[in-house]
Amino acid sequence: NAGVTQTPKFQVLKTGQSMTLQCAQDMNHEYMSWYRQDPGMGLRLIHYSVGAGITDQGEVPNGYNVSRSTTEDFPLRLLSAAPSQTSVYFCASRSSGGASEQFFGPGTRLTVL
Amino acid sequence: DAKTTQPNSMESNEEEPVHLPCNHSTISGTDYIHWYRQLPSQGPEYVIHGLTSNVNNRMASLAIAEDRKSSTLILHRATLRDAAVYYCILRDQIQTGANNLFFGTGTRLTVIP
Repeated sequence: NAGVTQTPKFQVLKTGQSMTLQCAQDMNHEYMSWYRQDPGMGLRLIHYSVGAGITDQGEVPNGYNVSRSTTEDFPLRLLSAAPSQTSVYFCASRSSGGASEQFFGPGTRLTVL
Repeated sequence: DAKTTQPNSMESNEEEPVHLPCNHSTISGTDYIHWYRQLPSQGPEYVIHGLTSNVNNRMASLAIAEDRKSSTLILHRATLRDAAVYYCILRDQIQTGANNLFFGTGTRLTVIP
């Protein structure tokens, strides 16, 4: 199993550009989520999905869109990048169940100029 | 979501035991206690979780107070690889909604050679 994979690893954008961060998992997990981590801080939840076709907002959803057309993929779209979105982005997945382990991807480091 | 309180940082000598404390005085009867850690430049990884009884696995032990208002993650012999930020997180075992993980700032563990 590859686990949770994310692409790209690094990205530099100019203000106003759009892009999609890719996330895929091969563990057949129902739950997937996106977090961002700013320097010196913990992770904050952006959006999450409890299954294909179902998404919802987390703590900091503004400026981001998600969709979940398949169980495996959960892309995160930045509609119009802003410097405040400079951060490290982590995708995660887990199976159902309150005690299930959450698996994280290696992260995408995004800089918006 | 019930909150947890952890020291910002701790130090340990290599090959000595480390006790990482976590206070969760508002824990509910259905909350699991989860621990994750984040090595430098990586996504978080699962360490251990428990409900009422102490737990052991190959990575660590989790000691839970009898009243469940605090817990301690125990690394039996710290290695340089254990230098990371450790997060103590409560998650409800009853599967209502997405039951997401919410991260605080954690404890940064420094291991001294």
